[in-house]
Amino acid sequence: DADVTQTPRNRITKTGKRIMLECSQTKGHDRMYWYRQDPGLGLRLIYYSFDVKDINKGEISDGYSVSRQAQAKFSLSLESAIPNQTALYFCATSEGGRSYEQYFGPGTRLTVT
Amino acid sequence: GDSVTQMEGPVTLSEEAFLTINCTYTATGYPSLFWYVQYPGEGLQLLLKATKADDKGSNKGFEATYRKETTSFHLEKGSVQVSDSAVYFCALSGALLGRRALTFGSGTRLQVQP
Repeated sequence: DADVTQTPRNRITKTGKRIMLECSQTKGHDRMYWYRQDPGLGLRLIYYSFDVKDINKGEISDGYSVSRQAQAKFSLSLESAIPNQTALYFCATSEGGRSYEQYFGPGTRLTVT
Repeated sequence: GDSVTQMEGPVTLSEEAFLTINCTYTATGYPSLFWYVQYPGEGLQLLLKATKADDKGSNKGFEATYRKETTSFHLEKGSVQVSDSAVYFCALSGALLGRRALTFGSGTRLQVQP
């Protein structure tokens, strides 16, 4: 079984709808991240969490919110989806301390029409 | 701020050809450097890393050397295979969020033809 899972894998939604993307991990890591990937732009950090009580904004947090329900679960919400939020979304985890390696989920392809 | 610049793709090679994907960076201090690979339909996987100047990371026949004097971390492989077709991302762990997050390049798509 995959260490980092994301649901759904694909989603099409309409402008103005609320949508939640979910991430679960079995690696036992404290740190979790949400990125979005756009063609030609690489990955950009949306939000990150270093433990259940710690939530922080990344580079591009406007229009998004997150919830860390447990050490293993980190959800990303789009309160009112807009077309320019169409992208590939990745969840990632990492250990604490001086380890900077991140482990990625398979991604969620979101299309906002 | 920190940034990573990669050569644009796609890079198209024949099987057994030599591969170089250029990566240069801008960062304060001494970042750690990474290459991640994304196979079709999958998430990113760490390919190799280097944490200090002159370190060489290697894995699966790929190599990259941390060159502080040229702020570069170019990815090389002596003989590519069709199975190496993927998107490759150079990344650094630098000043962003106090080294607790990664700054990625835009990715380079590699296509290897039989």
